[in-house]
Amino acid sequence: NAGVTQTPKFQVLKTGQSMTLQCAQDMNHEYMSWYRQDPGMGLRLIHYSVGAGITDQGEVPNGYNVSRSTTEDFPLRLLSAAPSQTSVYFCASWAPTGYYGYTFGSGTRLTVV
Amino acid sequence: GNSVTQMEGPVTLSEEAFLTINCTYTATGYPSLFWYVQYPGEGLQLLLKATKADDKGSNKGFEATYRKETTSFHLEKGSVQVSDSAVYFCALKRSGNTPLVFGKGTRLSVIA
Repeated sequence: NAGVTQTPKFQVLKTGQSMTLQCAQDMNHEYMSWYRQDPGMGLRLIHYSVGAGITDQGEVPNGYNVSRSTTEDFPLRLLSAAPSQTSVYFCASWAPTGYYGYTFGSGTRLTVV
Repeated sequence: GNSVTQMEGPVTLSEEAFLTINCTYTATGYPSLFWYVQYPGEGLQLLLKATKADDKGSNKGFEATYRKETTSFHLEKGSVQVSDSAVYFCALKRSGNTPLVFGKGTRLSVIA
């Protein structure tokens, strides 16, 4: 099925560990973004990309890195996990024409202990 | 900057009650406005949208009208069901390759 695929769905990390959250879309969307969802905070933008090779920071980029080497993939890297990064992470993609709305992945629930 | 303010929850209603969730926005220019819904344990789904002033978005019995004069996009439904229990997010997007900006979400619980 076409859409946005996120892996893993759940992850527990120890403080200081690194990991990569994967996001892939098969809709040929130019635009992809990462959000984190925390209770009472809504969704906050971490990083976004408007095309392969182009990324930019969102509202809360510290502690996260991204790259966009292909249209399909937009991984989010945590270089040294901290308990403050415990959250649910959503990847989303969007095309500038046609369906005028974001398509979201099902999320990754990350716990840092 | 661009921002969205929506009423705080949680909102608890009885089945068949009328629902209003308020949303106001601050933005330069004329953004597009959206309502997204998140059911328990799932990602966000687009519920409805409006791309210009006075447009009315509607879907699944929900409606919202883009009011430029009051910078609002309130969500309404005439008769809620238990299956409408979810978190509702208001969002805006300026034109071009700009990101969605979300409100903090409103949790709705509908009891039978």
